Amino acid sequence: EDKVVQSPLSLVVHEGDTVTLNCSYEVTNFRSLLWYKQEKKAPTFLFMLTSSGIEKKSGRLSSILDKKELFSILNITATQTGDSAVYLCAVKETSGSRLTFGEGTQLTVNP
Amino acid sequence: DSGVTQTPKHLITATGQRVTLRCSPRSGDLSVYWYQQSLDQGLQFLIQYYNGEERAKGNILERFSAQQFPDLHSELNLSSLELGDSALYFCASSLLEPGSGYTFGSGTRLTVV
Repeated sequence: EDKVVQSPLSLVVHEGDTVTLNCSYEVTNFRSLLWYKQEKKAPTFLFMLTSSGIEKKSGRLSSILDKKELFSILNITATQTGDSAVYLCAVKETSGSRLTFGEGTQLTVNP
Repeated sequence: DSGVTQTPKHLITATGQRVTLRCSPRSGDLSVYWYQQSLDQGLQFLIQYYNGEERAKGNILERFSAQQFPDLHSELNLSSLELGDSALYFCASSLLEPGSGYTFGSGTRLTVV
């Protein structure tokens, strides 16, 4: 059974701090890893990673995948209160298009 | 607005009852996925439909069923409800093979009392 583990489960920081969120996975036939941000309701897509070592970047957020060690990290620099959310990691297998999600990391950024 | 519409937004019902959750996918998307998000379990895949046919099944209880109609909207039916069924139910849509992940609806919060 596919497994996705995120750490930490919860993180509280001050505005301006840099955070690193971790995601490790066990998947039979890995195809891609996705990061989502969930504020109040619907998860919104951040990144999709398929190749090791290639950093994806969007503003203050960046992510990288290590397919050898089976993990990904999501970095957020110069955090803002608006970054407060649950960050979800999910993996997709080569067969089918369902996603297996981790439990998420609850990030709280205090002013 | 993500383009995926879920109704109702909130639902409160008693144990033993049956409810229907509705999802209209984003225009052009043929696949619909249903996920359950409980406090203690994260997002759990329930079922996927593609162009009216069941495509993949996850940990969906026998008390739950779904279908996708010719106009591509989907309904998730939950029957003999139990307290533990209280959760957020998300619908997501995509082309068959999403290039950038799903688009999620804003969810239906079901509370069973």
